[in-house]
Amino acid sequence: NAGVTQTPKFRVLKTGQSMTLLCAQDMNHEYMYWYRQDPGMGLRLIHYSVGEGTTAKGEVPDGYNVSRLKKQNFLLGLESAAPSQTSVYFCASSAVTSYNEQFFGPGTRLTVL
Amino acid sequence: GENVEQHPSTLSVQEGDSAVIKCTYSDSASNYFPWYKQELGKGPQLIIDIRSNVGEKKDQRIAVTLNKTAKHFSLHITETQPEDSAVYFCAALEPYAGGTSYGKLTFGQGTILTVHP
Repeated sequence: NAGVTQTPKFRVLKTGQSMTLLCAQDMNHEYMYWYRQDPGMGLRLIHYSVGEGTTAKGEVPDGYNVSRLKKQNFLLGLESAAPSQTSVYFCASSAVTSYNEQFFGPGTRLTVL
Repeated sequence: GENVEQHPSTLSVQEGDSAVIKCTYSDSASNYFPWYKQELGKGPQLIIDIRSNVGEKKDQRIAVTLNKTAKHFSLHITETQPEDSAVYFCAALEPYAGGTSYGKLTFGQGTILTVHP
């Protein structure tokens, strides 16, 4: 039982390049989330999904797109990376309960030059 | 929407001392308050949580208190150990709005706790 996994762990991009971050969970959770973590700002929600084939915007969605084609996978895409997207990205998942404990992946450190 | 403020941003204690981290929230409808611990290079991990119908919860050396009237909650760590050194995040859960909505977690800014041997 691996929990939540993320690939890659590290990535360096040049401004304007694109990339996709992959999140996978093996806990059969319905809900999945993408956060970014910046110093002094905690965790901010980018996009989330309440089920396969559905996605919704979070607090800071601009510049990102997501897809949830399979229940266990949640992809985060950057179409044209900008230096402001330099951050640590965390994926999380949770079951459908009234109090949703979120299980986090190990994170992806992205640097945009 | 919900706004969560967390203090202090950094906290340094000697091993064996107690540590207290405080959070305030703005939305009186929020009903669940988890605390996450993030060790270096890892994702946050839930360490304790409290629901709005409870005033205090304890699990060994950690405890959380909730004051719904004042809209604040606190994490208490007693007999701190070097392995308690980490970043701690509080969060507040806004209740479901129905349909396909989900309960949104809003996080505080984090507290860097350092426990000196």
